[in-house]
Amino acid sequence: AQSVTQLDSQVPVFEEAPVELRCNYSSSVSVYLFWYVQYPNQGLQLLLKYLSGSTLVESINGFEAEFNKSQTSFHLRKPSVHISDTAEYFCAVSWGFGNEKLTFGTGTRLTIIP
Amino acid sequence: DAGVIQSPRHEVTEMGQEVTLRCKPISGHNSLFWYRQTMMRGLELLIYFNNNVPIDDSGMPEDRFSAKMPNASFSTLKIQPSEPRDSAVYFCASSLTGGSGNTIYFGEGSWLTVV
Repeated sequence: AQSVTQLDSQVPVFEEAPVELRCNYSSSVSVYLFWYVQYPNQGLQLLLKYLSGSTLVESINGFEAEFNKSQTSFHLRKPSVHISDTAEYFCAVSWGFGNEKLTFGTGTRLTIIP
Repeated sequence: DAGVIQSPRHEVTEMGQEVTLRCKPISGHNSLFWYRQTMMRGLELLIYFNNNVPIDDSGMPEDRFSAKMPNASFSTLKIQPSEPRDSAVYFCASSLTGGSGNTIYFGEGSWLTVV
């Protein structure tokens, strides 16, 4: 069965420290990979996505993620976090061209410690 | 530009009552999704439509749930009768289909509490 795994349900990090949020997926076909962010009491917003091409993708607010096909991973990283990054982060995958369905991981709650 | 608009934002209802959640997708989008979010089960896709036609409703939990999309600018998710275990945040989302990888835009959610 196709699945998305976010191993860490909660990640506390000190302000200005680096962070990595892990995401692994199961697949043997083409995948499209996404990270969404959910701020408290809001809907989900797209942070970044990988469709093809360069395996390193970046967001406008300093996050980046790298597609690693051999390890079936799409980990999210930021070199220096801010209080405003406090949110829940969801990894999502769609499998195969023409498949509109997104399957989400269980989410990682990122808490920034001042 | 207006995003995905959902109503009501909050609803508290008694067990057994009918609940109708409404969604207006982003103008021009032709795919619409209903998701449910709970602490226990995370985000679950309930159903999605493409060009107003239901494509996959395998996530609809049971016959008490139904969804319609009578036109490109409106969709409803109905629960009848409602039960306490239906308490969750229900998200509507839309996208412009052109192949996989299109960004899905979410609404702010409808927070449902069934007592």
